[in-house]
Amino acid sequence: SAVISQKPSRDICQRGTSLTIQCQVDSQVTMMFWYRQQPGQSLTLIATANQGSEATYESGFVIDKFPISRPNLTFSTLTVSNMSPEDSSIYLCSARTEKAEGYGYTFGSGTRLTVV
Amino acid sequence: GQNIDQPTEMTATEGAIVQINCTYQTSGFNGLFWYQQHAGEAPTFLSYNVLDGLEEKGRFSSFLSRSKGYSYLLLKELQMKDSASYLCAVTGGFKTIFGAGTRLFVKA
Repeated sequence: SAVISQKPSRDICQRGTSLTIQCQVDSQVTMMFWYRQQPGQSLTLIATANQGSEATYESGFVIDKFPISRPNLTFSTLTVSNMSPEDSSIYLCSARTEKAEGYGYTFGSGTRLTVV
Repeated sequence: GQNIDQPTEMTATEGAIVQINCTYQTSGFNGLFWYQQHAGEAPTFLSYNVLDGLEEKGRFSSFLSRSKGYSYLLLKELQMKDSASYLCAVTGGFKTIFGAGTRLFVKA
């Protein structure tokens, strides 16, 4: 399956600041996805990042808070803006790739964000 | 609405067999995935079902019944390293909905 490099792996940030998370895929993929996983819970889709168009956000997530870039078919960034302690979570990027069985998802290693 | 239900926690003994059930109600269906997630790590792919029936992969098997909106993941010859969360996920169209996961504890 594809390999996704995600960074940073963890960060501790001050409230009111912003953090940009980067994901690099080792092959071209049409769609990339950004998820949030709060402690002990499952993955919640934030948005779908398409190359060449604006990201599609899920209910409860807005572009001003979570701007996303997708400059090419192998790279995407998610920014968590104006952070508050409620944003403390694990953020995961993912891509669906033909390399994976069932055109399944491969995940980055995650970014553990703590906002203080 | 869209909903995926799985038990929150299960405990089983090393060497035993455990079955983790998943029921789903989604607006579309293109396939069902099972992922394993160890604490502090990203989910990793275990299995994929698109047609009814059983898919076997070594110690892991996954079953699907589309008419019943039901799947299960069967783990045989349990090992301590199988202690993890198991996520059921259903894909419809371009979206995938994840269940809340089942935390499996394997005891000696």
